[in-house]
Amino acid sequence: QKEVEQDPGPLSVPEGAIVSLNCTYSNSAFQYFMWYRQYSRKGPELLMYTYSSGNKEDGRFTAQVDKSSKYISLFIRDSQPSDSATYLCAMSEYGNKLVFGAGTILRVKS
Amino acid sequence: GAVVSQHPSWVICKSGTSVKIECRSLDFQATTMFWYRQFPKQSLMLMATSNEGSKATYEQGVEKDKFLINHASLTLSTLTVTSAHPEDSSFYICALPGTSLSEQYFGPGTRLTVT
Repeated sequence: QKEVEQDPGPLSVPEGAIVSLNCTYSNSAFQYFMWYRQYSRKGPELLMYTYSSGNKEDGRFTAQVDKSSKYISLFIRDSQPSDSATYLCAMSEYGNKLVFGAGTILRVKS
Repeated sequence: GAVVSQHPSWVICKSGTSVKIECRSLDFQATTMFWYRQFPKQSLMLMATSNEGSKATYEQGVEKDKFLINHASLTLSTLTVTSAHPEDSSFYICALPGTSLSEQYFGPGTRLTVT
């Protein structure tokens, strides 16, 4: 079993839809949770960075962490074609290396 | 967040030759830099942690003699793939830490193709 599980998709939605992206993990010591967006042939871009459980909102993006269920989510409201990319979840223990999910390919159709 | 550049963005080399990839921090001095590798349709895997003025720390399974890392200054780390083979073809990405080691900012990546 992988430490971090993420459905690879692709996930295809119409423009304006609410997108839900998820990851599950097995290591209860993870405390830091990140979401990255990666366009084709580019480096990942940090979207959201959260510590421990709870919600964090930034514009159209909302990150949720449920440590009791070992489950994290990223919601994208009013999705745009420019949101089409691969979304990677990542997590770490304090001061330790990042462990990445495999990434979910999102396609937003206009 | 940190601004990171990489050079070259794309390189093709012949099997058996060596290739050097540069990672630069453009807006702050970085004592630590990270090197990742990403194969097609796979996630990022940490290869090594580059430490300014000292030896890099390699992840298990990564050959330190094949992937030479030099962090000679606070703004530059280099990764040299020595005696490259086709199976080394991959996307190599460096990253800098933000306010914590968990908050990382990635460079644009270097696509290496070994023929």
